[in-house]
Amino acid sequence: GQNIDQPTEMTATEGAIVQINCTYQTSGFNGLFWYQQHAGEAPTFLSYNVLDGLEEKGRFSSFLSRSKGYSYLLLKELQMKDSASYLCAVIPGDYQLIWGAGTKLIIKP
Amino acid sequence: IAGITQAPTSQILAAGRRMTLRCTQDMRHNAMYWYRQDLGLGLRLIHYSNTAGTTGKGEVPDGYSVSRANTDDFPLTLASAVPSQTSVYFCASSGESSYNEQFFGPGTRLTVL
Repeated sequence: GQNIDQPTEMTATEGAIVQINCTYQTSGFNGLFWYQQHAGEAPTFLSYNVLDGLEEKGRFSSFLSRSKGYSYLLLKELQMKDSASYLCAVIPGDYQLIWGAGTKLIIKP
Repeated sequence: IAGITQAPTSQILAAGRRMTLRCTQDMRHNAMYWYRQDLGLGLRLIHYSNTAGTTGKGEVPDGYSVSRANTDDFPLTLASAVPSQTSVYFCASSGESSYNEQFFGPGTRLTVL
């Protein structure tokens, strides 16, 4: 079967750093996505990794290890607006994504 | 239109009624998708279309049908709604980028009583 695991909920403090982990077991691998979803809104694209290593984009970075079936999203200098759910998804083939259930991130002042 | 639109925004429906959720994109994307999102379960693929004229079944297709007469429109029909179809429905599309990023519509919140 195909499976993506991520923690259900995490809490962090404004200004701090948080790492959200994602592990996956899929039939194939053509890349891993991270999306952000604020409550009541649609998911929006954050990052894409297909090669091992760290991709940095401003306050957000995403890491991938294909051999370990593992990725993480690193959020630095947390702001209250970063309170959202973060969705990990893998594209095993050409188009369709396999989605994790999402990690709800709560930011406290 | 910019991106993907969905209609209606929300709907309350009596069980047994037929309902069509509309989705239109103006990005000329070949691939389109319908997902449902339920608390604790994440996004689940209902149906997809890789190009106009073709459709396929996703993870949870029972009770739903789709059509793709042209590139822009991808309606989702519930032939006879049941309470378990209460959910938030998202339409998405992906184009010819190197990694097929999916763009989402704003969603339709459907309640079946």
